[in-house]
Amino acid sequence: QKEVEQNSGPLSVPEGAIASLNCTYSDRGSQSFFWYRQYSGKSPELIMFIYSNGDKEDGRFTAQLNKASQYVSLLIRDSQPSDSATYLCAVIMGGYSTLTFGKGTMLLVSP
Amino acid sequence: GAVVSQHPSWVICKSGTSVKIECRSLDFQATTMFWYRQFPKQSLMLMATSNEGSKATYEQGVEKDKFLINHASLTLSTLTVTSAHPEDSSFYICSARVPGRGGYGYTFGSGTRLTVV
Repeated sequence: QKEVEQNSGPLSVPEGAIASLNCTYSDRGSQSFFWYRQYSGKSPELIMFIYSNGDKEDGRFTAQLNKASQYVSLLIRDSQPSDSATYLCAVIMGGYSTLTFGKGTMLLVSP
Repeated sequence: GAVVSQHPSWVICKSGTSVKIECRSLDFQATTMFWYRQFPKQSLMLMATSNEGSKATYEQGVEKDKFLINHASLTLSTLTVTSAHPEDSSFYICSARVPGRGGYGYTFGSGTRLTVV
């Protein structure tokens, strides 16, 4: 069974701290990796995607990919209360064009 | 650009009735539309993939006679929940792949909260 695993949390961090969100995936042939943010009752919104091993930075967000370990992470620097949401990791697995989502990690940023 | 408009945003229906959810691509042609269902505190689960002009492909465990998908045009896909029951209450979200946008190409509708009473 092809799976995407995330710790459900909640992950609690104080305002201004770095939040680290992690995701593992089972299919070694996976090529594309996405992080979405989902507020309660809303649909997901794309934060970042990454294809290659290493780091990819966009503003306060950094995605990290390690294909050998089948691991992808998202770092949020200078966390803000408005970052409080559920963060979904999604993967396009080998041979597919559809997104497979993890269950998401709830992030709580306290003022 | 690349907006998917989903309606209704919420609906309450009586058990045994049918409900139709519409997703329209406003400024691009969506040859493929994905339909997801999300239960509280759960992930988005792909229900089916619809391609314009052909039958939808349903994921294992999804009843195709209960969840009717129609993708008759390049800008409109519909999901009809037939003979709805309380266990069908969920958040339904459509998504489309925008051609030529790579990783930015998966755009989501705003979702429909279905409550069956």
